[in-house]
Amino acid sequence: AQTVTQSQPEMSVQEAETVTLSCTYDTSESDYYLFWYKQPPSRQMILVIRQEAYKQQNATENRFSVNFQKAAKSFSLKISDSQLGDAAMYFCAYRSSSHTSGTYKYIFGTGTRLKVLA
Amino acid sequence: EAGVAQSPRYKIIEKRQSVAFWCNPISGHATLYWYQQILGQGPKLLIQFQNNGVVDDSQLPKDRFSAERLKGVDSTLKIQPAKLEDSAVYLCASSLFREEAFFGQGTRLTVV
Repeated sequence: AQTVTQSQPEMSVQEAETVTLSCTYDTSESDYYLFWYKQPPSRQMILVIRQEAYKQQNATENRFSVNFQKAAKSFSLKISDSQLGDAAMYFCAYRSSSHTSGTYKYIFGTGTRLKVLA
Repeated sequence: EAGVAQSPRYKIIEKRQSVAFWCNPISGHATLYWYQQILGQGPKLLIQFQNNGVVDDSQLPKDRFSAERLKGVDSTLKIQPAKLEDSAVYLCASSLFREEAFFGQGTRLTVV
């Protein structure tokens, strides 16, 4: 079974600085997606960035980028120029694929609470 | 584009009572998920629908939880009877086939 591990329960960063959130996963599949979701106090999970496993190039979305190391099964999120609005819970998620049934199951880590200090 | 709608936002019930949550997914999204998120944990999949058929309910406590998705659109998740350990946020999400999931704002359930 696939697992996702986030070893940092909480992280702090000064406004305008850079922070990296860690995520490792375990799978025997070769075709999968990885995601980072942000969950502010409003509770709605918002997609930050996604990475296809077959792509070697790391995904980037404005101030957010990932360091995807497939062999090491590592998927970290880097937030540059941190803003107060970035404060939230961040969840790493793995999406498996089941080609026989066409279903896609998401498996989430336990989350990292990011605090942004003014 | 309208997002995933959930209601109610909050619910407080006594143990052994029943409760129901409603979800309206994004129009055209065939896949619908219900997740349970206990405080301090990541979301855990309860049930996944593809159109109006169940494709995964392996982690749904079927003795007390039930869910349906009539006509492949709206979905209802029910708990009967509720236990204290059911206190959590219940998240609904939907997606197009093979695309990423979009989440609603969730329902916070407190069982006292």
